[in-house]
Amino acid sequence: QQQVKQSPQSLIVQKGGISIINCAYENTAFDYFPWYQQFPGKGPALLIAIRPDVSEKKEGRFTISFNKSAKQFSLHIMDSQPGDSATYFCAATPKAAGNKLTFGGGTRVLVKP
Amino acid sequence: DTAVSQTPKYLVTQMGNDKSIKCEQNLGHDTMYWYKQDSKKFLKIMFSYNNKELIINETVPNRFSPKSPDKAHLNLHINSLELGDSAVYFCASRRTAGELFFGEGSRLTVL
Repeated sequence: QQQVKQSPQSLIVQKGGISIINCAYENTAFDYFPWYQQFPGKGPALLIAIRPDVSEKKEGRFTISFNKSAKQFSLHIMDSQPGDSATYFCAATPKAAGNKLTFGGGTRVLVKP
Repeated sequence: DTAVSQTPKYLVTQMGNDKSIKCEQNLGHDTMYWYKQDSKKFLKIMFSYNNKELIINETVPNRFSPKSPDKAHLNLHINSLELGDSAVYFCASRRTAGELFFGEGSRLTVL
């Protein structure tokens, strides 16, 4: 049972375009929604995160949009660059200490020059 | 100075053998994890320790045994390796809920 569903599985975008990755969750106890970026041969690294009390968070070219009522959140990569080519994971965790971080299935993004 | 370091980076072994992966973090965090990433890139939590105490133990075969000698170290021992154990194993430490620092992974290939 996948608690965090992520789509699409893969994405190809031209340089300068917008990459959009969507995630949906069921567990209303989830309280923190991070996105991780993973390059080949490396471990995932925290990219940006949001709490459900805000609807949007922007850091540079990366923006998270959050829809609490729909239990959905998305990552937008503006002005996509070849260096953004990586696998992106959405994730969710409850607030309680010790509870696990549950990952979505990942989206492989390829930015073509 | 690497924050979360895992050794070895690569393991190739025969079915039925036993292998260990070591992990160390120098971030001063109390909580550490083992995650398994399969060939489809899916990340699945296996274990979590908080200050040497096991707090998360997912449905993992008991051939997998974690050990935490202190809060900076979390090792993973795997007995009687099977083909399906082939994967990349990631160690991570937690700063806050949801903010994990991952090692570079240990790629295990079972032949």
